[in-house]
Amino acid sequence: QSALTQPASVSGSPGQSITISCTGTSSDVGGYNSVLWYQHHPGKAPQLMIYDVSNRPSGVSDRFSGSKSGNTASLTISGLQAEDEADYYCSSYTGSSTYVFGTGTRVTVL
Amino acid sequence: EVRLVESGGDLVQPGGSLRLSCAASGFTFSSYWMHWVRQAPGKGLVWVSRIYNDGSSPRYADSVKGRFTISRDNAKNTLYLQMNSLRAEDTAVYYCATINPALDVWGQGTTVTVSS
Repeated sequence: QSALTQPASVSGSPGQSITISCTGTSSDVGGYNSVLWYQHHPGKAPQLMIYDVSNRPSGVSDRFSGSKSGNTASLTISGLQAEDEADYYCSSYTGSSTYVFGTGTRVTVL
Repeated sequence: EVRLVESGGDLVQPGGSLRLSCAASGFTFSSYWMHWVRQAPGKGLVWVSRIYNDGSSPRYADSVKGRFTISRDNAKNTLYLQMNSLRAEDTAVYYCATINPALDVWGQGTTVTVSS
């Protein structure tokens, strides 16, 4: 149950697009289309931004999109805004009927 | 209002035990799998445990297997986490959550500190 690998930090200017990667194995990310992405502002409850690799829950901005290729999932934030500054975590269902989170990525809006 | 409220966090000595509770309201608790997720100080989110909606098939992260027990009481709309043989590395904020795209709800967390 090793954590999925994410870059520690990603930054961008307002209006730009950024992409966060999430690398796992064939036993988690690569084996299932059950990848989630959460936005987490410190001190608050995490908010689901993407589910099942590329689907957005109701109410989530269409500036957020997800994809997957092999063992790596990605979250893209388009038209970066100040309010997007937060920690982002991917998560995947695993072959042992458990779940695993990514190491987390701090997004900074310059 | 859909809500999850954790309680039971405390300062406990290494080797000690603690039981966390998570009270659900505003949704049909008995319809959802429930999870515990933790975040150590300055670290990321870590999945801890999951239980089916009917209380069956608990699953655990390797780091807590054999020490933690997840359970639920659907009549009381409450999720539990019994934590035994606590270690310093169990120090974290513990969240309960549905982790469900149809209704993704998280509590605000309860703090567990394991220290002598």
